[in-house]
Amino acid sequence: KAGVTQTPRYLIKTRGQQVTLSCSPISGHRSVSWYQQTPGQGLQFLFEYFSETQRNKGNFPGRFSGRQFSNSRSEMNVSTLELGDSALYLCASSFDGLLTDTQYFGPGTRLTVL
Amino acid sequence: AQSVTQPDIHITVSEGASLELRCNYSYGATPYLFWYVQSPGQGLQLLLKYFSGDTLVQGIKGFEAEFKRSQSSFNLRKPSVHWSDAAEYFCAVGASGTYKYIFGTGTRLKVLA
Repeated sequence: KAGVTQTPRYLIKTRGQQVTLSCSPISGHRSVSWYQQTPGQGLQFLFEYFSETQRNKGNFPGRFSGRQFSNSRSEMNVSTLELGDSALYLCASSFDGLLTDTQYFGPGTRLTVL
Repeated sequence: AQSVTQPDIHITVSEGASLELRCNYSYGATPYLFWYVQSPGQGLQLLLKYFSGDTLVQGIKGFEAEFKRSQSSFNLRKPSVHWSDAAEYFCAVGASGTYKYIFGTGTRLKVLA
């Protein structure tokens, strides 16, 4: 079956703009998580959605938001972009989001903020 | 609070040599532990996981890891490294009561021909 897909794969924005990233989970998976990966901070959890509800949120400012649709596809939005938002954004899907579930990661969206 | 430490930022081994990547965690109860691998331009792929039971866990691509509660460690091993194993390896702990992982900072593996 198809894996986790993320669009777009690459994105260049300027400071102050906003951006929306998309994640399509594996068919049948209801949980989608988002992570930010940077050389300095490593992999940091952003938030997790299950059945259109945010269940967990990491320590990121309110500029970072997300949502999940009824087909489990998820989007994350970053408003008022800052240079420090440049990162690889990864999404992962699993059946229920439980720690015992296997999370499958997408290839990521590389965001560059100029 | 849970945390994960990977003491080695970079490791270089020769092809065919054995490999051990270190991972130490901080957690009050029995942790949910994972090892992931990330190849350049790729997402993360799960190598293996430990929740309970046998402390020696077998994973994909010939990797194994051993959970040692007394040392708070979950080291990843492979008896003979292949050039295709060159990648970055991440240890992670599942944060109990949440639906998130806490990742270590990663170990970048270089394999010499």
